[in-house]
Amino acid sequence: KAGVTQTPRYLIKTRGQQVTLSCSPISGHRSVSWYQQTPGQGLQFLFEYFSETQRNKGNFPGRFSGRQFSNSRSEMNVSTLELGDSALYLCASSLESPGQGNYGYTFGSGTRLTVV
Amino acid sequence: AQKVTQAQTEISVVEKEDVTLDCVYETRDTTYYLFWYKQPPSGELVFLIRRNSFDEQNEISGRYSWNFQKSTSSFNFTITASQVVDSAVYFCALSEGRNQGGKLIFGQGTELSVKP
Repeated sequence: KAGVTQTPRYLIKTRGQQVTLSCSPISGHRSVSWYQQTPGQGLQFLFEYFSETQRNKGNFPGRFSGRQFSNSRSEMNVSTLELGDSALYLCASSLESPGQGNYGYTFGSGTRLTVV
Repeated sequence: AQKVTQAQTEISVVEKEDVTLDCVYETRDTTYYLFWYKQPPSGELVFLIRRNSFDEQNEISGRYSWNFQKSTSSFNFTITASQVVDSAVYFCALSEGRNQGGKLIFGQGTELSVKP
């Protein structure tokens, strides 16, 4: 059974550019969430999607956006990149259905974004 | 407000020593979930355990054990007879309520170094 797949693994972008990261969840998982990990702020929740709808959103500026497709694959986009956006971006998927509790999330290996 | 505190930033032990990683959480919800994840140098977060707020039973899995105490809002993790392969960063996380799904609130992590 394939795990959570994130592409690309590494990315270097220039300030002001935009970037799109991709996440393919485990087959059958409909919930996908995104996290940003930096040495200073640690692991911070970005947003979560369930059945193509954003269910939760963290405290990030509007430059950070995401979406989920009908096959549960998800993308996140960061526009007008800043140096501070350099981070490891982790995606996680779960079998969870709303109201059914939290069965735990399986994380991908992440995309390491460097903004120069 | 919800919060997870891992007071130990770094721990260094010699192989075969027992080590306990502390986790203290804050939440106003009566329904919540607690997790431990391991992050090896590869970056992927590896799920170790999930515990819901109604289940205070301690759990043992091989060399790993977890002690959940609601009275002190703690969910500590003990590794018995540590091994070099246990070296990693360990994160404790909290998810509130049945519909908060993938919104995990992480502690700052404890970096465990096991020396031969």
